Amino acid sequence: DAGVIQSPRHEVTEMGQEVTLRCKPISGHDYLFWYRQTMMRGLELLIYFNNNVPIDDSGMPEDRFSAKMPNASFSTLKIQPSEPRDSAVYFCASSITVVLAGGTDTQYFGPGTRLTVL
Amino acid sequence: QKEVEQDPGPLSVPEGAIVSLNCTYSNSAFQYFMWYRQYSRKGPELLMYTYSSGNKEDGRFTAQVDKSSKYISLFIRDSQPSDSATYLCAMSGDGNEKLTFGTGTRLTIIP
Repeated sequence: DAGVIQSPRHEVTEMGQEVTLRCKPISGHDYLFWYRQTMMRGLELLIYFNNNVPIDDSGMPEDRFSAKMPNASFSTLKIQPSEPRDSAVYFCASSITVVLAGGTDTQYFGPGTRLTVL
Repeated sequence: QKEVEQDPGPLSVPEGAIVSLNCTYSNSAFQYFMWYRQYSRKGPELLMYTYSSGNKEDGRFTAQVDKSSKYISLFIRDSQPSDSATYLCAMSGDGNEKLTFGTGTRLTIIP
């Protein structure tokens, strides 16, 4: 398997522009997570889906951020309008529920999208 | 106060030394404890996980969980330059897929 795929790898845009980040999870995984990583705040969970349904979006910073998962193999994170403080690395991760005694699932991360908003 | 606290470092040690990385947490509902390793400009990858309290060993790596103190540790023996990375602790509760991460400790092993 190719792992979690994210595009683009780098994005430079100007304040006020719309930004769309894309993610293809590992085939067969039923959970998908969007994270944001900065030096100051570390890795923050923005939203996660189970079977394409948003479960928890409490980490989405504000209404400028939205995420969709139209099918099991694709998700988008959109920022509109973008602001300089949105500059960060955005990671997508996927996992599969493992119901085993004492077991847990592993989240597999993509390579990230480095976003710079000027 | 954050749910998970981790010293950001940076931490620099000579090759061959024993490295100790730690996290503290405040949420007593956490049952699963993980350590992720993140190389520069890459995504985090799972290194080790433990369930509830106790120790787990995998090669040069040992993970310890002390739930009574809400304290977890990762030990690296015979450290190698290839261990240079950022190490993030992560935790979750029973039946909850959501992970809460520490901010990460940046580690450099000096040849």
